[in-house]
Amino acid sequence: RKEVEQDPGPFNVPEGATVAFNCTYSNSASQSFFWYRQDCRKEPKLLMSVYSSGNEDGRFTAQLNRASQYISLLIRDSKLSDSATYLCVVNPAAGNNRKLIWGLGTSLAVNP
Amino acid sequence: GAGVSQSPRYKVAKRGQDVALRCDPISGHVSLFWYQQALGQGPEFLTYFQNEAQLDKSGLPSDRFFAERPEGSVSTLKIQRTQQEDSAVYLCASSSSGVGEQYFGPGTRLTVT
Repeated sequence: RKEVEQDPGPFNVPEGATVAFNCTYSNSASQSFFWYRQDCRKEPKLLMSVYSSGNEDGRFTAQLNRASQYISLLIRDSKLSDSATYLCVVNPAAGNNRKLIWGLGTSLAVNP
Repeated sequence: GAGVSQSPRYKVAKRGQDVALRCDPISGHVSLFWYQQALGQGPEFLTYFQNEAQLDKSGLPSDRFFAERPEGSVSTLKIQRTQQEDSAVYLCASSSSGVGEQYFGPGTRLTVT
């Protein structure tokens, strides 16, 4: 089993739709979690951190389920500009470990 | 403000050549990371610096890969005797706080022919 797994998609949704992505991780001791966004042929950019209590930033909601070892990203009222690849990122250990584990990404295409 | 910059943006090398990729992190960021990203894949960790100290190089795929950050700011990733499988985008990221809050440069696209 891969350390971080995502459904690669692509997810094709119409504008205004709500779409959700899940990401599972294998290491139950993982400490912190993030969603990054990567546009085609561009660098990844931090979208949001994922907190234990769940967090929301505008149309985006991230949640963590430690018992089932997955994190989710919900996008409401999707826009054409949301089309990108969404990368799930996990920090598997505490302390000075900096070796983040990246998923392969989930591709989203929002259509007019 | 200025973000992370990388040069060159594109590099074509013949198999067997040595290449050097440069990264200028955001000023004041103590942490610097190098990643390799193949087409359709997520970034793969190569190495990590805290200031000038290379704290983790476990992701470097072979001894042909070498990274340095001698003064704790600019970093160079060197690949010796390039092979076709080295073709990828090499991303540099820096961070001032928090291991997950990394700011990426535009990457160097390396093609080995």
